Amino acid sequence: KQEVTQIPAALSVPEGENLVLNCSFTDSAIYNLQWFRQDPGKGLTSLLLIQSSQREQTSGRLNASLDKSSGRSTLYIAASQPGDSATYLCAVPPGGYQKVTFGTGTKLQVIP
Amino acid sequence: GAVVSQHPSWVICKSGTSVKIECRSLDFQATTMFWYRQFPKQSLMLMATSNEGSKATYEQGVEKDKFLINHASLTLSTLTVTSAHPEDSSFYICSARDMDRGAEAFFGQGTRLTVV
Repeated sequence: KQEVTQIPAALSVPEGENLVLNCSFTDSAIYNLQWFRQDPGKGLTSLLLIQSSQREQTSGRLNASLDKSSGRSTLYIAASQPGDSATYLCAVPPGGYQKVTFGTGTKLQVIP
Repeated sequence: GAVVSQHPSWVICKSGTSVKIECRSLDFQATTMFWYRQFPKQSLMLMATSNEGSKATYEQGVEKDKFLINHASLTLSTLTVTSAHPEDSSFYICSARDMDRGAEAFFGQGTRLTVV
């Protein structure tokens, strides 16, 4: 059974700092890995998707890496802004039409 | 990108009534859709897997007679919360994976259900 853990559970940083969110998964037989953000009371916004054959994906100030063999992914946020405040979830879909397993989430607060 | 549309975005209902939530894949066919539930300050937990043309598969602890799932077409799945109670108040999100686009998972906007 896939288990996905995110560390830290919560993070508070001053505006402008660079930060790293971590995601660990127990079963390396993944199809891809996705990072989402969730604002309070809202749905999920997809940030980045890394295919299992890839090592890295970048979108603007966001950079996600994937090390499948060690079961780890990191989300790097450069020059954080108050608008980045949200809960960040990593999600791991296995092959086929199977369900996505979500991480426990990291609640980020960027202080102006 | 692919879009999954979920309606309604929020609903308030009285105890004992039923509520239907719709999930549509707008530009791709989804033979399988997933329904998740999220209680406050908790991560998303899978409730059931909706299969087009067949019965849904429920996760352990989820009452199939209470959470009715119908997946009648390749683009529509519905979740009906029957005889809702306050403890059913939660955030419900549907998802579908587009296997033609790298198996990326797309999510509906979510439905905030409040049972009073």
